[in-house]
Amino acid sequence: QVQLVESGGALVKPGGSLTLSCEASGFNFSDYFMHWIRQAPGKGPEWISYISKSYTKYAAYADSARGRFVISRDNAQNSLYLQMNSLRAEDTAVYYCARGDYYGAGSLDYWGQGTLVTVSS
Amino acid sequence: DIQMTQSPSSLSASVGDRVTITCRASQATNNNLNWYQQKPGKAPKLLMSAASSLQSGVPSRFTGSGSGRDFTLTINSLQPEDFATYYCQQSYRTPHTFGQGTKVEIK
Repeated sequence: QVQLVESGGALVKPGGSLTLSCEASGFNFSDYFMHWIRQAPGKGPEWISYISKSYTKYAAYADSARGRFVISRDNAQNSLYLQMNSLRAEDTAVYYCARGDYYGAGSLDYWGQGTLVTVSS
Repeated sequence: DIQMTQSPSSLSASVGDRVTITCRASQATNNNLNWYQQKPGKAPKLLMSAASSLQSGVPSRFTGSGSGRDFTLTINSLQPEDFATYYCQQSYRTPHTFGQGTKVEIK
């Protein structure tokens, strides 16, 4: 069965950096777009970024992430990453990785359990 | 960015009721409109993609409709397990924005 397991969440000081990981299993990882979505406490989900499935590894970002976050993937390791730099208090959230639908239309058909990032001094 | 506006923000309903949630996009989404259900402490779950395509395993009491900018999620005969928060999301243009959510509570 499809499984996505995030890790790497932590308490980090403002201005710090953190890298999140998402280990995928149960499907052919290289065939799917992969996404990061976050959810601040008491708020709705916020789409952060996606990376394409192909060797071109095209990526797109929300304005809140562009220039500070970098999405990457290692198809050989079935893993997705989110490198986060210059972290701010407003980046505090549960971060989810999610699989994009097979046809690339952007729906998110499987989600991980999430990993908590807290940015605080 | 495409803004997604859901209404209502919350509603109270009884088991067996029919519930309708609407989602309006600030511009056309080519029907790349998805609906998710989220329960406390859990990740969102995809219910519907492409406005009206029910995901495998989702009960048929959930239906989606709409086109262009206006979309609807209907839950026919609300069940106890349906009390949750529902989000729409457009995946036509990045950023793939979500609505603010509709919380369905027990009356």
